[in-house]
Amino acid sequence: DTEVTQTPKHLVMGMTNKKSLKCEQHMGHRAMYWYKQKAKKPPELMFVYSYEKLSINESVPSRFSPECPNSSLLNLHLHALQPEDSALYLCASSQGPGLNTEAFFGQGTRLTVV
Amino acid sequence: EDQVTQSPEALRLQEGESSSLNCSYTVSGLRGLFWYRQDPGKGPEFLFTLYSAGEEKEKERLKATLTKKESFLHITAPKPEDSATYLCAVQALGSQGNLIFGKGTKLSVKP
Repeated sequence: DTEVTQTPKHLVMGMTNKKSLKCEQHMGHRAMYWYKQKAKKPPELMFVYSYEKLSINESVPSRFSPECPNSSLLNLHLHALQPEDSALYLCASSQGPGLNTEAFFGQGTRLTVV
Repeated sequence: EDQVTQSPEALRLQEGESSSLNCSYTVSGLRGLFWYRQDPGKGPEFLFTLYSAGEEKEKERLKATLTKKESFLHITAPKPEDSATYLCAVQALGSQGNLIFGKGTKLSVKP
């Protein structure tokens, strides 16, 4: 089973709203990632969680707040977003940092900020 | 700085017309090179991992190869369902497993 599940698939939110994106994997992976993908651009790394601890934050604005409750779950809390934050948000997981293994991606959450 | 460059940006083929996509990379130390397929509005779907120069992997009509500076994704006798954006990504030694992506090649296969 190489499945990463993201919910919701689509989200429309206002600039004053608070919402959360959710990601779940049951592959026993110990590293999880959030990527942001704008239209016709490649995915760009936002956060890396390794063994449930944040190990990389690529200078992402504080209006994005990640949370890793356990090794299977990864959330991304959103608050006071801007229209330019509209994008496809992708979650991925891999066996672990420093290991020669591929990352598997979820189907993404299409976020629109109005 | 680690960098991935893919060419061409877009490729149009007739069904059955074989071709190759290129991925050139600059990385301080390569842990792995990955090929993904992405359909519009969907997440990237894993295709191949290559770890060392000379390595080759095959899956159906696709074959990926790796040298010390670039990788090729060869598509043999493509079908319309092969139409997608193909992304190349590298993982650097010492990284936390994060991927550095190229901008992708958008492949269109006409019947």
